[in-house]
Amino acid sequence: KAGVTQTPRYLIKTRGQQVTLSCSPISGHRSVSWYQQTPGQGLQFLFEYFSETQRNKGNFPGRFSGRQFSNSRSEMNVSTLELGDSALYLCATRPGQDAYEQYFGPGTRLTVT
Amino acid sequence: ILNVEQSPQSLHVQEGDSTNFTCSFPSSNFYALHWYRWETAKSPEALFVMTLNGDEKKKGRISATLNTKEGYSYLYIKGSQPEDSATYLCASFSSGTYKYIFGTGTRLKVLA
Repeated sequence: KAGVTQTPRYLIKTRGQQVTLSCSPISGHRSVSWYQQTPGQGLQFLFEYFSETQRNKGNFPGRFSGRQFSNSRSEMNVSTLELGDSALYLCATRPGQDAYEQYFGPGTRLTVT
Repeated sequence: ILNVEQSPQSLHVQEGDSTNFTCSFPSSNFYALHWYRWETAKSPEALFVMTLNGDEKKKGRISATLNTKEGYSYLYIKGSQPEDSATYLCASFSSGTYKYIFGTGTRLKVLA
C-alpha cells in the first residue's frame, strides 16, 4: 500500500510570491489535514478536508487556503509569502474524521527569502 | 490546561536506561490521545491511540498509560536503545473541536 506523498519536497520562494503544495493520501483515506512545523513550535494545525469540504480550520491568516479534489488529493496554497512562512509543511491522512491514527507524508520544506 | 504540554523538552539517556515522558492535555471534551515517534528525516509514525481512562498500551519495549480524568499520559521506554532516538509527540483529539492538538514533543537521544 503506497504511503502519503507530498510534492514538492523542497521549495525556495521569494517574499510576496505564492506557493501551492500537494498531498496525495493513502488509498481509501478521505481526510487530509495540513500542519505547519517551525523550530520550537509543535505541529500547528492549518486545516482539514474531508469529502472535498473544509471541515476544520486552525488559527492561520486567510493567506493560507486549501482544497480537496474528488480523488481525495489535497492542495494547500499560501499567497503573499512572508519570511515567517518558512517551515516544514506536513500533511496527514486518515480514513475518516474520527480519531483514527494519522499517516503523515514526508513534508515540504518551504524557505522564503 | 488549555494546551497540550510535554515534558521534558529533551532528554539524554545511556543505552540500557529506562525513561519516561509526560503529556498533559485538556481533560474536558477529551476523545483520544495519540503518541507519535518522529525520527530525523522521516515522517511522524503513530505509536499508540488511546481512548479510555486507565488504558495501557504496549509495543515491544515502549508502553503508555492514560489518565483522562486528570489529563495526562505517560510514555515509557524500557532498556533504551540508540534506535529509540527520536522526537516523541503526543496529540489530543477533542470531541468539541474534532481536531488534533499536538504538544511540542520530547526529543530523546540515547547514547551508546
